[in-house]
Amino acid sequence: SQQGEEDPQALSIQEGENATMNCSYKTSINNLQWYRQNSGRGLVHLILIRSNEREKHSGRLRVTLDTSKKSSSLLITASRAADTASYFCATEDDMRFGAGTRLTVKP
Amino acid sequence: KAGVTQTPRYLIKTRGQQVTLSCSPISGHRSVSWYQQTPGQGLQFLFEYFSETQRNKGNFPGRFSGRQFSNSRSEMNVSTLELGDSALYLCASSTTRDTYNEQFFGPGTRLTVL
Repeated sequence: SQQGEEDPQALSIQEGENATMNCSYKTSINNLQWYRQNSGRGLVHLILIRSNEREKHSGRLRVTLDTSKKSSSLLITASRAADTASYFCATEDDMRFGAGTRLTVKP
Repeated sequence: KAGVTQTPRYLIKTRGQQVTLSCSPISGHRSVSWYQQTPGQGLQFLFEYFSETQRNKGNFPGRFSGRQFSNSRSEMNVSTLELGDSALYLCASSTTRDTYNEQFFGPGTRLTVL
């Protein structure tokens, strides 16, 4: 079974808007990672947040983690067309990925 | 430093055949993981190797197997191919398999089974 579950499954926004994606997981974790995948290609690591962290920033990315709710969110601010991709969360437990959120940023 | 490379990039096989995919990790990385990605099932973990030993295995039938060589390069084999094995197979490497290491993914091998 999958550990990370992202929602929404798909998100379409205009360039310049913010995009928020959520991830829920089932078991206790030590860290949670977010990855991006451009169409039909390999995944690229975006950010890792540890279980003792509540929020982390990296450029236009902001990740939050709520271990009590077993959930995480990824916020992309001031989105660009180049952000169009699928976004996955994964926990370190055998790196089980969710189905991903497909983000489309319209120019 | 060169990234993770996978060969071949594209492959077409017919049902019943077997296939071997190859993955060369980033130099110095000793952990290699394999994933299968399909539109219907998403990204699923196949197995992970570290120092030539399989450390973790996903929920796939025995037709899926792998190995890792002393230089950390890894191969994945699928025997008796089925139509449902058509997928993008991704390989990822990391320095170790502890809880704080990110994985670096290759571009994948797209396998089509006819």
